[in-house]
Amino acid sequence: QQQVKQSPQSLIVQKGGISIINCAYENTAFDYFPWYQQFPGKGPALLIAIRPDVSEKKEGRFTISFNKSAKQFSLHIMDSQPGDSATYFCAASMRTTGTASKLTFGTGTRLQVTL
Amino acid sequence: KAGVTQTPRYLIKTRGQQVTLSCSPISGHRSVSWYQQTPGQGLQFLFEYFSETQRNKGNFPGRFSGRQFSNSRSEMNVSTLELGDSALYLCASSLGSGEQFFGPGTRLTVL
Repeated sequence: QQQVKQSPQSLIVQKGGISIINCAYENTAFDYFPWYQQFPGKGPALLIAIRPDVSEKKEGRFTISFNKSAKQFSLHIMDSQPGDSATYFCAASMRTTGTASKLTFGTGTRLQVTL
Repeated sequence: KAGVTQTPRYLIKTRGQQVTLSCSPISGHRSVSWYQQTPGQGLQFLFEYFSETQRNKGNFPGRFSGRQFSNSRSEMNVSTLELGDSALYLCASSLGSGEQFFGPGTRLTVL
């Protein structure tokens, strides 16, 4: 019940295209859904996060879409750039039970943006 | 503000030894969480400390332990190292309510 399933495992997108990464969760108690970006040799960096009371959140070229009834959320990267090439992780946690800091991560998506 | 710092960045140990990793959170953050990252298991939560108390714990054996000091700095200890403990160990800090910021990690290799 704690799983977060992420797809695809890898993704190749042309420069200027839209990158879409999907995640699905099982535990309906999850109420905080962040996305992290990780470059080789670095720690994950928080990109954008959403709470289930909104269906979409946009920050620059990054958008999270959230579907509470389907228990799914996705990251859209508009106008993808070579500098976006990295591994992306979705995650989920529960704030209400005092476990906000216990993130359950998806398995990651390796994004490559080609010229 | 300075980010999360972790020391050392790289460690090589042999089976059976023990190791201590250190994490300094972002100034003002009282919560420190530890994660293990491996190619096979991905990112897995180890434990979280908040105001010097362990607040949450993941599914790791008792060989993995931690503590937090009054200045919020945290240490993680792994005793009786096994080959499977080779991983990137990440520390994350937060104010306690959700947003977590990760350090660069400590790469542990067990030979």
